[in-house]
Amino acid sequence: EAGVAQSPRYKIIEKRQSVAFWCNPISGHATLYWYQQILGQGPKLLIQFQNNGVVDDSQLPKDRFSAERLKGVDSTLKIQPAKLEDSAVYLCASMAGRELYNEQFFGPGTRLTVL
Amino acid sequence: AQKITQTQPGMFVQEKEAVTLDCTYDTSDPSYGLFWYKQPSSGEMIFLIYQGSYDQQNATEGRYSLNFQKARKSANLVISASQLGDSAMYFCAMEGNTGNQFYFGTGTSLTVIP
Repeated sequence: EAGVAQSPRYKIIEKRQSVAFWCNPISGHATLYWYQQILGQGPKLLIQFQNNGVVDDSQLPKDRFSAERLKGVDSTLKIQPAKLEDSAVYLCASMAGRELYNEQFFGPGTRLTVL
Repeated sequence: AQKITQTQPGMFVQEKEAVTLDCTYDTSDPSYGLFWYKQPSSGEMIFLIYQGSYDQQNATEGRYSLNFQKARKSANLVISASQLGDSAMYFCAMEGNTGNQFYFGTGTSLTVIP
């Protein structure tokens, strides 16, 4: 089966510009996660979707970050406007269901550099 | 609040030797899951092993085993017979039972020396 797809793989922008990332989870996976991984740190959860509803967005900087998952499949994460500290790898992951202890499958990530 | 702690920023191990990567956690959830992921320099996160909080036996997956000590709230990863390809970042993670949220530690960088 195809894995989690993300695009673009790399993005360089200047501060105050806008950027959007796309994620296509594994087919049939109900749960989708967006993580931010700053260099040298572990992934930090930004937002979690269950189908097309938000389960947790408590760590999403809502003044500049937004995410949606229309139709409960693909998802986009947007940053507007970007700051220097947003430079990180943005990881998307999906999971089959809501049963406990399912494995998350990660995409390759999008490496964002804000200049 | 959930918390994962990895106190070893970097570890070195001789090829073919065993190595233990430490992980402690803190949670008030009665049931939870513990995971280890490997992240090579290429960036992808690779699932290694899982331990459920109610599992009686320590999890094993090939050369990976998880030394689970519930009372001490530790879930250390043991890699036996290290290989050069094991050089990577290793992350411990926990899933709570309230909404499938995952919490990751800060990671341990493992270098296998020939």
